[in-house]
Amino acid sequence: DIQMTQSPSSLSASVGDRVTITCRASQDIINFLNWYQQKPGIAPKLLIYATSTLQSGVPSRFSGSGSGTDFTLTISSLQPEDFATYYCQQSYTALTFGGGTKVEI
Amino acid sequence: QVTLEESGPVLVKPTETLTLTCTVSGFSLNNPRMGVGWIRQPPGKALEWLAHIFSNDQKSYSTSLKSRLTISRDTSKSQVVLTMTNVDPVDTATYFCARIQRLAFDYWGQGTLVTVSS
Repeated sequence: DIQMTQSPSSLSASVGDRVTITCRASQDIINFLNWYQQKPGIAPKLLIYATSTLQSGVPSRFSGSGSGTDFTLTISSLQPEDFATYYCQQSYTALTFGGGTKVEI
Repeated sequence: QVTLEESGPVLVKPTETLTLTCTVSGFSLNNPRMGVGWIRQPPGKALEWLAHIFSNDQKSYSTSLKSRLTISRDTSKSQVVLTMTNVDPVDTATYFCARIQRLAFDYWGQGTLVTVSS
């Protein structure tokens, strides 16, 4: 199975900060990489699919980049509603998730 | 409006078989561009993909759980069913079903918490 490793596992940030989360795949997944946001007690929400395509309704402060094995989710200016846990997921073979990154105040 | 709703037992005993049903609306299980998957999340832990099924009946399972899982669909009822055999307390989790489009989970159910305990 392809393993997905996210870093950091948690981070502290302030409103207005630029935040970057990294996801590394154990093998080349081309651009088959999705990002989700999850808040406590709520189902995850799709933010970005195919590495860099924003899901409908997702604010433009979210962006994704990368290819091959290394990918990045960037929040350009953190807003209060962005404090959550973020997961990457590869869809090259099966649909495995990373371990998550918790963004805290 | 796309919705997915999970249903199943709240409490299951160790060694029993767990059966979960995902009832969908707002899209067809016969849509060639879509599928439905199951994901679980133990309390306080990360998401774990379990299995998925597409309109052509193509199925895929987590390698670590493959021997215990079966996914199937009933298009007449708009339902996708996941069975997990020989459950253990470590299988205690919230189980989600979600629609797959463009190889991403774009709509999710609210999840159902299943506790495995004697």
